[in-house]
Amino acid sequence: AQTVTQSQPEMSVQEAETVTLSCTYDTSESDYYLFWYKQPPSRQMILVIRQEAYKQQNATENRFSVNFQKAAKSFSLKISDSQLGDAAMYFCAWPLNYGQNFVFGPGTRLSVLP
Amino acid sequence: DAGVTQSPTHLIKTRGQQVTLRCSPKSGHDTVSWYQQALGQGPQFIFQYYEEEERQRGNFPDRFSGHQFPNYSSELNVNALLLGDSALYLCASISYGRANYGYTFGSGTRLTVV
Repeated sequence: AQTVTQSQPEMSVQEAETVTLSCTYDTSESDYYLFWYKQPPSRQMILVIRQEAYKQQNATENRFSVNFQKAAKSFSLKISDSQLGDAAMYFCAWPLNYGQNFVFGPGTRLSVLP
Repeated sequence: DAGVTQSPTHLIKTRGQQVTLRCSPKSGHDTVSWYQQALGQGPQFIFQYYEEEERQRGNFPDRFSGHQFPNYSSELNVNALLLGDSALYLCASISYGRANYGYTFGSGTRLTVV
């Protein structure tokens, strides 16, 4: 089965500190993308960061970066200098069938403490 | 540039009734996917529409049906509503460009079945 696993249902971080959210996936494909989406209480899913599997370099978007370990099928998200607005549900996602179907993990609820 | 718009934002229906949810994709996107997100869980793929045809379907019963119009907007219909259909229904349109590949989501329709 092609699945996405997030082993941390909840995490908390102090404002301005760094936190890492974990994600593992299972696929037999060699060329694919991986995504992290954020869902605040407003409900809208917002793209945080995207990684192309064929790229060795880890993706970075401002305070957000990933640690992509292709052999281990691991795709963790690091949030640096955490801000109150980072509090949300974070979902790791992986597209099946050339994007016809995104498989989402169960999510990690991140709290940011002032 | 308008993103993905969904209507209505909230809906309350009675068991056994039928419901129609609507979605307009982001400008320039021609592919629409629908997801069901139960409380505290990750989104589950319902189906995807492209060129007015259902291209891929997830593990949902035939009570869930859809339609795509020539302007790429889409409807999700659910017949014979069950209590378990209560969820957030998300619509997403997809960009297949290599540089910006990924979903853009709407804010969702919160369906409550009583």
